[in-house]
Amino acid sequence: GAVVSQHPSWVICKSGTSVKIECRSLDFQATTMFWYRQFPKQSLMLMATSNEGSKATYEQGVEKDKFLINHASLTLSTLTVTSAHPEDSSFYICSARDRDTVYGYTFGSGTRLTVV
Amino acid sequence: DQQVKQNSPSLSVQEGRISILNCDYTNSMFDYFLWYKKYPAEGPTFLISISSIKDKNEDGRFTVFLNKSAKHLSLHIVPSQPGDSAVYFCAATQGTYKYIFGTGTRLKVLA
Repeated sequence: GAVVSQHPSWVICKSGTSVKIECRSLDFQATTMFWYRQFPKQSLMLMATSNEGSKATYEQGVEKDKFLINHASLTLSTLTVTSAHPEDSSFYICSARDRDTVYGYTFGSGTRLTVV
Repeated sequence: DQQVKQNSPSLSVQEGRISILNCDYTNSMFDYFLWYKKYPAEGPTFLISISSIKDKNEDGRFTVFLNKSAKHLSLHIVPSQPGDSAVYFCAATQGTYKYIFGTGTRLKVLA
């Protein structure tokens, strides 16, 4: 089945710095990828839809300038958390369309971001 | 406004017995529903799905039931195994890949 690789799996950074998270589709081309965030004991919240070769579509309430998304190739989307603050600490997960399942996603393994 | 709700944050079941996880939704336009399983520090993995034109879908030990009139779906796991212990999310969509997820139910299967 489709495999999505996400890196790093965890990262600790200082407040004010930027962190880049990568999401790769390993055995298929993903024209569209999705970025989610999950706070403890809460559901996965869609942040943005990443489209290859065009601008990402952000959900309401998500700061575009803070969460920069780049989808420069058919197999790679990146999420950069700029000027990170402790409230940005969360679990970030990417996903891509699973071609084997109607309307299904294949998720990456997630990135635990801690901003200190 | 939480369109997809999982009102039970946790559930404990004895090994071999049936686990029933519930999910309620408010949007009658949702036409596809999925269940995902998530282990700690990992991304969710797809489990089973159901289209709104069906009321039941079965895959091995997993069965999903959909009651459109009640806007309710449930996941049955029979028999439950310790390896099923995880957080289960239901998700719904309306004709797109944009899903609305529930808050999850933590299932613990006791050996």
